[in-house]
Amino acid sequence: DAGITQSPRHKVTETGTPVTLRCHQTENHRYMYWYRQDPGHGLRLIHYSYGVKDTDKGEVSDGYSVSRSKTEDFLLTLESATSSQTSVYFCAISETSGSSAYEQYFGPGTRLTVT
Amino acid sequence: QKEVEQNSGPLSVPEGAIASLNCTYSDRGSQSFFWYRQYSGKSPELIMSIYSNGDKEDGRFTAQLNKASQYVSLLIRDSQPSDSATYLCAVRNSGNTPLVFGKGTRLSVIA
Repeated sequence: DAGITQSPRHKVTETGTPVTLRCHQTENHRYMYWYRQDPGHGLRLIHYSYGVKDTDKGEVSDGYSVSRSKTEDFLLTLESATSSQTSVYFCAISETSGSSAYEQYFGPGTRLTVT
Repeated sequence: QKEVEQNSGPLSVPEGAIASLNCTYSDRGSQSFFWYRQYSGKSPELIMSIYSNGDKEDGRFTAQLNKASQYVSLLIRDSQPSDSATYLCAVRNSGNTPLVFGKGTRLSVIA
């Protein structure tokens, strides 16, 4: 398995509270991604990073922010959690060179419930 | 908007048969194509990548790409109940852009 961990793996939080999810990789890959997965919607990209301090928005970025201060860590913050952000969140990594260029590898996921 | 389309299924096949999963994409400039398998409650797992027209085989899996028709497929030979999962098609458009994922096809292999 690619060396990707996510924490926490499960979280229940209340509406209006801030929440931070962490993705940590040991592969030294340049690109990191945050997705959410919901029934009927598939995987939807929230934000991604193409290097330390370099990030860009995905298709469902409203209500989320990210930070990447080190190659190995990519943080996703829900600034004020809402029930519509109840979902499973996946982190992924990729590189743009080598035999596995552009292949994305996923972390185990975080199940977030906002009550 | 660049899209990747898959039949949601479920696709039911008997054990030992060939399962055929299909995917179409809208961006003619797409460069790379991937198939992921996702078991219920688990994360997507990369099983095949294909970059040029034709077939690519890996064990019981064959990926087929036809860029002229904007079509990519995955064949699973000798299907097993353990192949029952959702299969996601993903496409990389031009440049270093994130993959675009289809919503997946649910495959059920009946023993």
